[in-house]
Amino acid sequence: DQQVKQNSPSLSVQEGRISILNCDYTNSMFDYFLWYKKYPAEGPTFLISISSIKDKNEDGRFTVFLNKSAKHLSLHIVPSQPGDSAVYFCAASGDSNYQLIWGAGTKLIIKP
Amino acid sequence: ETGVTQSPTHLIKTRGQQVTLRCSSQSGHNTVSWYQQALGQGPQFIFQYYREEENGRGNFPPRFSGLQFPNYSSELNVNALELDDSALYLCASSANQGRSYNEQFFGPGTRLTVL
Repeated sequence: DQQVKQNSPSLSVQEGRISILNCDYTNSMFDYFLWYKKYPAEGPTFLISISSIKDKNEDGRFTVFLNKSAKHLSLHIVPSQPGDSAVYFCAASGDSNYQLIWGAGTKLIIKP
Repeated sequence: ETGVTQSPTHLIKTRGQQVTLRCSSQSGHNTVSWYQQALGQGPQFIFQYYREEENGRGNFPPRFSGLQFPNYSSELNVNALELDDSALYLCASSANQGRSYNEQFFGPGTRLTVL
């Protein structure tokens, strides 16, 4: 049973436009959500996070929105740049607070 | 400041064998988590070590075991390897015990292939 779902395996966006990556979750006990970016042959790197008490968190070009009633979060990247091409993972903190529950990832391709 | 390193980079084993993977945590970090990432999936939590003690475990059988040393480096041991154990094994270190929302810094992973 997947508690964190990223339903789009891939997404292609024109350079300079907005990229929107989506993530859904089923466990209402999750209290913290994170986005990681992964390049080939490298480990995931932390990008941005949001607490369940907020509905928006912004860091430069990256904004994460949380809709608790819909159990949905999204990552917006504006403007998209070629270096943003990577696999993006959504993750949530579990009830026990010491493990991350991860989605399957979305491969973002930024076209020049 | 040295980041998280893992060894070896790649490994090929046969069914039934045993394997040990190694991880050196980032300087100043005392918590290490291990994840298994199968092809096309997100990482799955195996277990976490904090100050040489197991601090939590995911849904993995006992043939997956670990160690953390006084310098906070860590090992993941897998006995009686099965074909489904083929995956990328990621190690992550963090500065705060067990709080997953503290940033975890990942190593590049070890690619294990079981034939």
